[in-house]
Amino acid sequence: NAGVTQTPKFQVLKTGQSMTLQCAQDMNHNSMYWYRQDPGMGLRLIYYSASEGTTDKGEVPNGYNVSRLNKREFSLRLESAAPSQTSVYFCACSGQGAYNEQFFGPGTRLTVL
Amino acid sequence: SQQGEEDPQALSIQEGENATMNCSYKTSINNLQWYRQNSGRGLVHLILIRSNEREKHSGRLRVTLDTSKKSSSLLITASRAADTASYFCATEGGSYIPTFGRGTSLIVHP
Repeated sequence: NAGVTQTPKFQVLKTGQSMTLQCAQDMNHNSMYWYRQDPGMGLRLIYYSASEGTTDKGEVPNGYNVSRLNKREFSLRLESAAPSQTSVYFCACSGQGAYNEQFFGPGTRLTVL
Repeated sequence: SQQGEEDPQALSIQEGENATMNCSYKTSINNLQWYRQNSGRGLVHLILIRSNEREKHSGRLRVTLDTSKKSSSLLITASRAADTASYFCATEGGSYIPTFGRGTSLIVHP
């Protein structure tokens, strides 16, 4: 089992370009998350999906959209990239409800010039 | 906003020594989790402690939770060079969405 996979691993964009970050999990978990990690800031939640068909905003949703395509896949879209979106993006999944650990993907390192 | 705040921000020790890092939080929680992140990698879950538990062990890890002080500590005993990583606490309240702190960077010198 691959766990949580993310593509691409690295990406460089110019300001104003769009792109979609892909995430897939084979753990049969209901909940999926997108985080960004900036130096000295820890992880900040962008969006999450508690179950298939639902998505909710996290702490820093501005400039992003998400799609929960099915139970396995949760994508993050940047419609018009800005330098402030330069970051490392992590996808995670977990069981639903309390007392569930999160399983993280390897991350996507995004640079916006 | 970050719920948990780790202390210290950075810790440098020799192999064989114990490493202690702390996490403080502000509002009531259901559980608190600790994660490790090796450089350039995703986070890996280490241990979860529920709000009605005071101490938990897993191998060389010992976690304590003091809900009256809204704080937790992670102790790594007999540290190894391979323990070099960043360690994050994550608190989970009524929303069941964990909130991560900024992390403690641990360096263990061989």
